[in-house]
Amino acid sequence: EDQVTQSPEALRLQEGESSSLNCSYTVSGLRGLFWYRQDPGKGPEFLFTLYSAGEEKEKERLKATLTKKESFLHITAPKPEDSATYLCAVQRSEKLVFGKGTKLTVNP
Amino acid sequence: DTAVSQTPKYLVTQMGNDKSIKCEQNLGHDTMYWYKQDSKKFLKIMFSYNNKELIINETVPNRFSPKSPDKAHLNLHINSLELGDSAVYFCASSRRSGDPYEQYFGPGTRLTVT
Repeated sequence: EDQVTQSPEALRLQEGESSSLNCSYTVSGLRGLFWYRQDPGKGPEFLFTLYSAGEEKEKERLKATLTKKESFLHITAPKPEDSATYLCAVQRSEKLVFGKGTKLTVNP
Repeated sequence: DTAVSQTPKYLVTQMGNDKSIKCEQNLGHDTMYWYKQDSKKFLKIMFSYNNKELIINETVPNRFSPKSPDKAHLNLHINSLELGDSAVYFCASSRRSGDPYEQYFGPGTRLTVT
């Protein structure tokens, strides 16, 4: 069965304190790995798609990387507005399988 | 412009009632989805339609019936609501099914069954 495990469940950082979120997965025939951001009371917002091991993508303070077993979302010098829940999802065939997310809080 | 919209935003109803949630996307996408996010924030797919054709039907009680009048709309009708149906329901759309295209989500409908 496809599984997506995100860690940690929750992470508190001080503004400017860089860190990484982990997404480990077991899926046969991975077609893509996605990162989403979800703010309270809102729908998930697309961030990145990674297709193959070794691929990296960046957007502002965020950088996503992919290996054959896991993906990392690196947050460099975060700001309070980066506070959100970050969701990882893998695609096999027609559907996305989501992890439970990492709730990130960045304190000023 | 709102890309994926849902109505209503909040829905409070009693057990046994029947209710509907509507979804519309103006992105020109071919595929639309319904997800359920439970109290633990776990997001799980329920249904997917591609050009009005059902392509994903997860293990969902048959009290839930999706309907797609055209490829820009996907509605969700729920019969005989139960307490366990309380959750946030998200609609999403993507360019095409099968390929790894990103999905765009609506703002969600918070359903509370009392």
